[in-house]
Amino acid sequence: RKEVEQDPGPFNVPEGATVAFNCTYSNSASQSFFWYRQDCRKEPKLLMSVYSSGNEDGRFTAQLNRASQYISLLIRDSKLSDSATYLCVVTDTGRRALTFGSGTRLQVQP
Amino acid sequence: DGGITQSPKYLFRKEGQNVTLSCEQNLNHDAMYWYRQDPGQGLRLIYYSQIVNDFQKGDIAEGYSVSREKKESFPLTVTSAQKNPTAFYLCASSINQGTDGYTFGSGTRLTVV
Repeated sequence: RKEVEQDPGPFNVPEGATVAFNCTYSNSASQSFFWYRQDCRKEPKLLMSVYSSGNEDGRFTAQLNRASQYISLLIRDSKLSDSATYLCVVTDTGRRALTFGSGTRLQVQP
Repeated sequence: DGGITQSPKYLFRKEGQNVTLSCEQNLNHDAMYWYRQDPGQGLRLIYYSQIVNDFQKGDIAEGYSVSREKKESFPLTVTSAQKNPTAFYLCASSINQGTDGYTFGSGTRLTVV
């Protein structure tokens, strides 16, 4: 079983749509959680950290459910520029290194 | 401006050769990491270093070696023992050992010819 699991997609949505990505992690001791965005053939870039209370950054909302070991990302009012792969990431508490999911690809269409 | 520099951007290697990928940061970060990414897959940890002169194996260290003689530098050597080295290699650093996320370099694409 992978440590971090994501639906690979692709999610094809029209501009203006709301789309949600989910992620599950296997290590209950994981402490820090993130969503990264990766454009084709580029390095990943931090989109947002994820907190237990839930947090929002503009059109993006992240939620964490520690009991279910589940992380989500909601994107409202999708833009063409949101097209990318979204990586779910958790911190490995033992070695303090990030563990990445395989990513969910989003394609926003005009 | 502070950041991480990886070089070269593209690298071609003949089978049986060792190659070294450079990673330099001027962010004053203590921790540095090397990841490998294959097409359609996530990043897998090769090696990491939390402090100068110390480093640890990640999940796929076989066929790779690293050194951390200076805080700013964490070069990765892909040896001939690595059976399938063609991949996208990403170096990262963090100030709080990953708890606040990473800063990534722009990556090196290695191709075996």
